[in-house]
Amino acid sequence: QVQLVESGGGVVQPGGSLRLSCAASGFTFSSYGMHWVRQAPGKGLEWVAFIRYDGSNKYYADSVKGRFTISRDNSKNTLYLQMNSLRAEDTAVYYCAKDPTMIVPDFDYWGQGTLVTVSS
Amino acid sequence: DVVMTQSPLSLPVTLGQPASISCRSSQSLVYSDGNTYLNWFQQRPGQSPRRLIYKVSNRDSGVPDRFSGSGSGTDFTLKISRVEAEDVGVYYCMQGTHWPPFTFGPGTKVDIK
Repeated sequence: QVQLVESGGGVVQPGGSLRLSCAASGFTFSSYGMHWVRQAPGKGLEWVAFIRYDGSNKYYADSVKGRFTISRDNSKNTLYLQMNSLRAEDTAVYYCAKDPTMIVPDFDYWGQGTLVTVSS
Repeated sequence: DVVMTQSPLSLPVTLGQPASISCRSSQSLVYSDGNTYLNWFQQRPGQSPRRLIYKVSNRDSGVPDRFSGSGSGTDFTLKISRVEAEDVGVYYCMQGTHWPPFTFGPGTKVDIK
């Protein structure tokens, strides 16, 4: 069965950096696009970034463009999110989600999330 | 960016009774391939989101048939034919037609009266 396990969250000061990981299993990771989606405490869902199956194309929300970088290592079945210049408004639970690889990317499986808190 | 709105934002329901959530988009969600990329997600308390419905009306595997999706263009509806206790949570619509970005509605909180 598909499993997505996020890690790397924690408390970081404003302006700091953090790298999140998402370990995938139960499917052929290298064949599927992947997303990061976040949810601020008590708030709704916000899409953050998407990467194609082979890493050839990456897409970002305007709110993180230039600060966050999505990447993947298909040999390790792992998705990453490098977060730099963190702000208080980046505080959220970060979920990775699998794309079922349709014409338009979608979200068919989600991980359990990892909490990032940006605070001094 | 496409703006998604939902109503109501809070929906108290009686067990066994039907429930309906409306979702509207600021632009038509019909894609160039003729499909409409409108999804519904359920987020139970303390859990990750789970996709229930994709492309307006297609139920995901394992989703009870009491859940149904309908609509077209800019107006969409999620219906629960008979609410059960396990249906408590927040429901989000989301559009993929005009990506990036993918945009979610604000969520509708369903709880039991």
